[in-house]
Amino acid sequence: ELKVEQNPLFLSMQEGKNYTIYCNYSTTSDRLYWYRQDPGKSLESLFVLLSNGAVKQEGRLMASLDTKARLSTLHITAAVHDLSATYFCAVDGPGTASKLTFGTGTRLQVTL
Amino acid sequence: NAGVTQTPKFQVLKTGQSMTLQCAQDMNHEYMSWYRQDPGMGLRLIHYSVGAGITDQGEVPNGYNVSRSTTEDFPLRLLSAAPSQTSVYFCASRTGTGVYGYTFGSGTRLTVV
Repeated sequence: ELKVEQNPLFLSMQEGKNYTIYCNYSTTSDRLYWYRQDPGKSLESLFVLLSNGAVKQEGRLMASLDTKARLSTLHITAAVHDLSATYFCAVDGPGTASKLTFGTGTRLQVTL
Repeated sequence: NAGVTQTPKFQVLKTGQSMTLQCAQDMNHEYMSWYRQDPGMGLRLIHYSVGAGITDQGEVPNGYNVSRSTTEDFPLRLLSAAPSQTSVYFCASRTGTGVYGYTFGSGTRLTVV
């Protein structure tokens, strides 16, 4: 059974600071995803990581994937208040489609 | 493109009632799936489909039924609603390659009293 663990569950950080969210998964997977969710809203796709060593960046967010360690990171650079949201990583099951397993999410609060 | 459309957005049911949550996508995506989101538990997979006529169970399928008669539609049926099914339900779809990830609908907030 595929398990996905995220940490931390809650992160309070000051504007301008850097931090990293970690996502570990238990079995081989073809794809790893990062999503953002604002309160009461749906999930917004941030990154799709398809191969070992993949690194993607969008603004102040950078995601990377190490398939050997079964680890993905979401790095936040110089946080701003607009980044406050809950961030989820999710993994497709090995050799299967349409079966996402989600982490429990990291609630990020950026304070002034 | 409307993307993934879910209806209704809100619903209150009495215990024992049945209902269907609708999900439609206009992107010709092969893969569709249903998730429920409960506080502190992330999203959990209920049922999924890899194409018209093909469905399978996810992590928490009990009390739910699905069918996929067309590529566009993937309705979720609650057979006899229970308070434990109070949750937010999301439908998602993606192409076969998965390069662009999953697109999620706006969600249905269901309360069972």
